[in-house]
Amino acid sequence: AQSVTQLDSQVPVFEEAPVELRCNYSSSVSVYLFWYVQYPNQGLQLLLKYLSGSTLVKGINGFEAEFNKSQTSFHLRKPSVHISDTAEYFCAVSDRNNNDMRFGAGTRLTVKP
Amino acid sequence: EAGVTQFPSHSVIEKGQTVTLRCDPISGHDNLYWYRRVMGKEIKFLLHFVKESKQDESGMPNNRFLAERTGGTYSTLKVQPAELEDSGVYFCASSQRFGTGWSQFFGPGTRLTVL
Repeated sequence: AQSVTQLDSQVPVFEEAPVELRCNYSSSVSVYLFWYVQYPNQGLQLLLKYLSGSTLVKGINGFEAEFNKSQTSFHLRKPSVHISDTAEYFCAVSDRNNNDMRFGAGTRLTVKP
Repeated sequence: EAGVTQFPSHSVIEKGQTVTLRCDPISGHDNLYWYRRVMGKEIKFLLHFVKESKQDESGMPNNRFLAERTGGTYSTLKVQPAELEDSGVYFCASSQRFGTGWSQFFGPGTRLTVL
């Protein structure tokens, strides 16, 4: 079975600063990787996903993530954050049948003015 | 196109009572999933329907939880009787079986509080 570790439970940053949210996974099979975002009082929204091909994946709202198979990581980055990026971010992994999706515990990003 | 909807958005019940949560997936999505997040921990898989059939219910915590998806459209998750540790946010998600089906689309969740 797959598992996901999000290394930081909370990440405070100032507006316009770069940010990296870390995610490591473990799996004995080939996987798909996802980042979801949950804004206050809303459901989970897909930011980006890695299925195959280029290891650098670009998502919505200026976010990108890089799949590193040797380090089993899928860190999320944004070069310059906005106040509106304040939310909780979840890394997830699923097997290639899109079943058995496992989530990390979430990282709460707080962007300060 | 309407997204995944869940009802109610919040529910507060007493220990021992019964609660039924409802999820309406995106129209045409054969796959429907239930997840739960307890006390700020990770979101945990509960079960997966393909149309009306339970594909995987390995995440269901115990027999107080019963999920149904009659007719392969909406799904209900019943907790009977509810216990304090059942409090949390219950998410529903749906995906197509083919095409762009690798993405699960999530509903806003139902926040359940058991007192």
